[in-house]
Amino acid sequence: GESVGLHLPTLSVQEGDNSIINCAYSNSASDYFIWYKQESGKGPQFIIDIRSNMDKRQGQRVTVLLNKTVKHLSLQIAATQPGDSAVYFCAENTGNQGGKLIFGQGTELSVKP
Amino acid sequence: DGGITQSPKYLFRKEGQNVTLSCEQNLNHDAMYWYRQDPGQGLRLIYYSQIVNDFQKGDIAEGYSVSREKKESFPLTVTSAQKNPTAFYLCASSLGQLSQPQHFGDGTRLSIL
Repeated sequence: GESVGLHLPTLSVQEGDNSIINCAYSNSASDYFIWYKQESGKGPQFIIDIRSNMDKRQGQRVTVLLNKTVKHLSLQIAATQPGDSAVYFCAENTGNQGGKLIFGQGTELSVKP
Repeated sequence: DGGITQSPKYLFRKEGQNVTLSCEQNLNHDAMYWYRQDPGQGLRLIYYSQIVNDFQKGDIAEGYSVSREKKESFPLTVTSAQKNPTAFYLCASSLGQLSQPQHFGDGTRLSIL
């Protein structure tokens, strides 16, 4: 979920476990969603995307689920590794403003070896 | 290698000074974007450009200016009118069509002297 202020939601998991990161998006007209991974001091890195005509999409070790009824997006990471530790952002695209993305606040994933 | 290059990585601004952040892409993308990221927060759109010689204000354009004279370049100037410029600035590009991801550079961290 989202929180206000400077404290990111955090998720701590053990190496090898599965991780689920959740995101509530804001605009029911949004038709395209992206998950990004951001490591400290770097730009966001594209992980996976999904269009609104789908409810699930799988990549390598990652799955995105979309529930349009409750405006909820989740990212599942299988067999989480220490290298997965980062801040994860969901972003939505309403199709307005030249492809402008609306970003969530982010969730910090910490993987314990 | 194709990608987005931002420079410098770190930048310091004195009071009353304008500074310009560079963003270059060799992905042949039509659309380019500038975002600002504050600690523990998501990204906010400053300006975007869908085509050469055209750009639009995003959500927080006050105190910033841009130009788009070439397809591969989209420099951002932080003017003295921006009273709180300390942040991490991220440039992105995309094909500009709906349902296309934005790809990011590794950012410029701007601080005040």
